[in-house]
Amino acid sequence: QKEVEQDPGPLSVPEGAIVSLNCTYSNSAFQYFMWYRQYSRKGPELLMYTYSSGNKEDGRFTAQVDKSSKYISLFIRDSQPSDSATYLCAMSGPPSDYKLSFGAGTTVTVRA
Amino acid sequence: IAGITQAPTSQILAAGRRMTLRCTQDMRHNAMYWYRQDLGLGLRLIHYSNTAGTTGKGEVPDGYSVSRANTDDFPLTLASAVPSQTSVYFCASSTGGASDTGELFFGEGSRLTVL
Repeated sequence: QKEVEQDPGPLSVPEGAIVSLNCTYSNSAFQYFMWYRQYSRKGPELLMYTYSSGNKEDGRFTAQVDKSSKYISLFIRDSQPSDSATYLCAMSGPPSDYKLSFGAGTTVTVRA
Repeated sequence: IAGITQAPTSQILAAGRRMTLRCTQDMRHNAMYWYRQDLGLGLRLIHYSNTAGTTGKGEVPDGYSVSRANTDDFPLTLASAVPSQTSVYFCASSTGGASDTGELFFGEGSRLTVL
């Protein structure tokens, strides 16, 4: 079993819909949780970053972390065609062991 | 601001040939990484370097070697390429040290095809 599980999709939604993405993980030492966005033929770029449990909102994006369930989510409200990309969850333990573990990525297409 | 620069952007290589993928960063980050990305498998860590002069093995190190002679450069070498090394390779960096939270800054990738 992988340390981080993420449904690869693909996910296709109409413009304006809410996109819901999630990952589960098995390592209880993870403290830092991230979502990266990767456009086609580009490198991943950090989208959202959360430390420990809780919610974080940034514009149309909301990241949620539930450490008790080992489950993280990313919600995209009012989705736009420009949100079409692959979204990768990533997580790491304490700074003494800061190498990231990535999910496989979910490919999202927002239809105009 | 360039960030991470990788070269070449793409390459077709005959099996058995030696290949070095170049990576340079201008952010003065201590830590650097090499990942490969394959469909359905996500990003897998090949090798990393916590600081200049040190390197470590990641999840899939076999067939690859790295060196870190200075802060800015972190080349990845395939000594004798095999078709299973066909992939997209990403170099990344992070601040490193006790304050490092794991946020990575990625290059644009190098697409390698081994025939």
